Amino acid sequence: GAGVSQSPSNKVTEKGKDVELRCDPISGHTALYWYRQSLGQGLEFLIYFQGNSAPDKSGLPSDRFSAERTGGSVSTLTIQRTQQEDSAVYLCASSFPPSYEQYFGPGTRLTVT
Amino acid sequence: GESVGLHLPTLSVQEGDNSIINCAYSNSASDYFIWYKQESGKGPQFIIDIRSNMDKRQGQRVTVLLNKTVKHLSLQIAATQPGDSAVYFCAETPFSGGYNKLIFGAGTRLAVHP
Repeated sequence: GAGVSQSPSNKVTEKGKDVELRCDPISGHTALYWYRQSLGQGLEFLIYFQGNSAPDKSGLPSDRFSAERTGGSVSTLTIQRTQQEDSAVYLCASSFPPSYEQYFGPGTRLTVT
Repeated sequence: GESVGLHLPTLSVQEGDNSIINCAYSNSASDYFIWYKQESGKGPQFIIDIRSNMDKRQGQRVTVLLNKTVKHLSLQIAATQPGDSAVYFCAETPFSGGYNKLIFGAGTRLAVHP
């Protein structure tokens, strides 16, 4: 079946602009995660959604970052007033608790110039 | 704070040899560990996992070993193939019930030479 999809695959934006990154999780997966991966680094947790529960936003690096998940499915990660340090690959994953296994999308490579 | 790290940033092996990738973790409360493989331009792909109540788990050509005494995790790949070339991440989660905010290490790049 279809895996996790993300769009766009690449995004180049100018410093100060806002960007929106989209994630389509696997159908039926109730948990959705966003991670950030800087060049040559591991994955940094950003935010977690589970069903109708309040999201865990503890990983968001600043108030310029926000995320929504509409209808328990598609999620959008928004970065306002982008900075060069925001340049990274943004990865989305979904899972079906109580399973621990997270399925990752291909990521969106964000470049802030 | 919580952290997961790796001993070796790069590992070069000959095709057909066995590979061992090591990982240290710091959170003794972690009860679930995962190894992911990430190929260039792709998202991480699940390889194998292990619960804290186990010390060894085997999959197809892969074995994960957990030593809770020294908080060490390793991934063994038997008969390494060129297709195994990738970055390997270990990850841990101290949570239960299916909510796993994974804490990832920095990754080890495995390069397989013919």
